[in-house]
Amino acid sequence: GAVVSQHPSWVICKSGTSVKIECRSLDFQATTMFWYRQFPKQSLMLMATSNEGSKATYEQGVEKDKFLINHASLTLSTLTVTSAHPEDSSFYICSGSTLRQGRTGANVLTFGAGSRLTVL
Amino acid sequence: LAKTTQPISMDSYEGQEVNITCSHNNIATNDYITWYQQFPSQGPRFIIQGYKTKVTNEVASLFIPADRKSSTLSLPRVSLSDTAVYYCLVGDISTNAGKSTFGDGTTLTVKP
Repeated sequence: GAVVSQHPSWVICKSGTSVKIECRSLDFQATTMFWYRQFPKQSLMLMATSNEGSKATYEQGVEKDKFLINHASLTLSTLTVTSAHPEDSSFYICSGSTLRQGRTGANVLTFGAGSRLTVL
Repeated sequence: LAKTTQPISMDSYEGQEVNITCSHNNIATNDYITWYQQFPSQGPRFIIQGYKTKVTNEVASLFIPADRKSSTLSLPRVSLSDTAVYYCLVGDISTNAGKSTFGDGTTLTVKP
């Protein structure tokens, strides 16, 4: 089945530094990838939609200059948290959209394992 | 995008069948219903997807009534390892840029 590799799985950084999270689709081409953040005991919140070769579409309230998304190829999307601060500490998850095997008309989301960011 | 409503939490015991219902009154004609499972500190994992009636795979069944305003995920004979959060997503992600909104999910706790 479809696999999305996400790394690092966890990262600790100092306040003011930037952190890059990579998301790779290993056995499929992801024209569109999605980035979520999840706080403890809360649901996933969609941050942005990343389209290969074009600018990402950010959800309302998400700062595009703080959360830089690059989707330079069909298998790689990156999220860079710039000038990270403690309030950016969260669990970040990416996903790619894939067609269900043997079916048409309904895609499913394949998620990465997530990246836990802790900003000191 | 259709808003979904699920129970916040459910408890069960090993070996029992668990049914989690999701309400989606504003489901559109082209929307599919997809359920995901998430363990702590992991990304969600696809469980099952359906459009109408009943769908069954090796891990679960999905029941969708004719009006499609709700759906029920059925987990047969749960085990401790089924303790997780279950999310119901509704949308036509093949045409809506894959955009799906996660509701609060249902935290299932399976007890010995």
